[in-house]
Amino acid sequence: AQRVTQPEKLLSVFKGAPVELKCNYSYSGSPELFWYVQYSRQRLQLLLRHISRESIKGFTADLNKGETSFHLKKPFAQEEDSAMYYCALVNFGNEKLTFGTGTRLTIIP
Amino acid sequence: EADIYQTPRYLVIGTGKKITLECSQTMGHDKMYWYQQDPGMELHLIHYSYGVNSTEKGDLSSESTVSRIRTEHFPLTLESARPSHTSQYLCASRGGAGNTIYFGEGSWLTVV
Repeated sequence: AQRVTQPEKLLSVFKGAPVELKCNYSYSGSPELFWYVQYSRQRLQLLLRHISRESIKGFTADLNKGETSFHLKKPFAQEEDSAMYYCALVNFGNEKLTFGTGTRLTIIP
Repeated sequence: EADIYQTPRYLVIGTGKKITLECSQTMGHDKMYWYQQDPGMELHLIHYSYGVNSTEKGDLSSESTVSRIRTEHFPLTLESARPSHTSQYLCASRGGAGNTIYFGEGSWLTVV
């Protein structure tokens, strides 16, 4: 069974400080992993995916298969980063898409 | 414009009523999903489909049913609504370049 774990429900960081949102997964095959963000009163939107290895809004995430992790990082937090962040995994076999429980990130001015 | 649409956005209905939440996407995606989400909380997968005439139950047990007769349309039906069904329901589709997932704006259902 596939599972995504985000251990922190809440995370507060000062503006300008580094941010790391943790995501661990369990999946028997090769996963496809994503980070999604939900700003207040907006729909969920893609932040980044591990396949593209791109940086969006200063965020990066590296897939670590040994630790089964896909942590989201940003070197310098900005106030507009305050939002809910969800890690997600897709099962290639049956296309099942599973989300973690989410982390609410608050940037303190 | 390519997008995913959900109707109604907000609905208040009485206990025991039948309700269908509509979801349509104009992107030709094969994969579609329904999630239940309380405000600021986790997303629970309740149904998904990887193509026409295919539907699967998700992780969260749900009394709702879905159908996928056309690629663009993935409605969710509650035969007899109960107060415990009060929640936000999110529809998503997946496909295209990069197999990106797109979410609708959500349908807020309140059962009184």
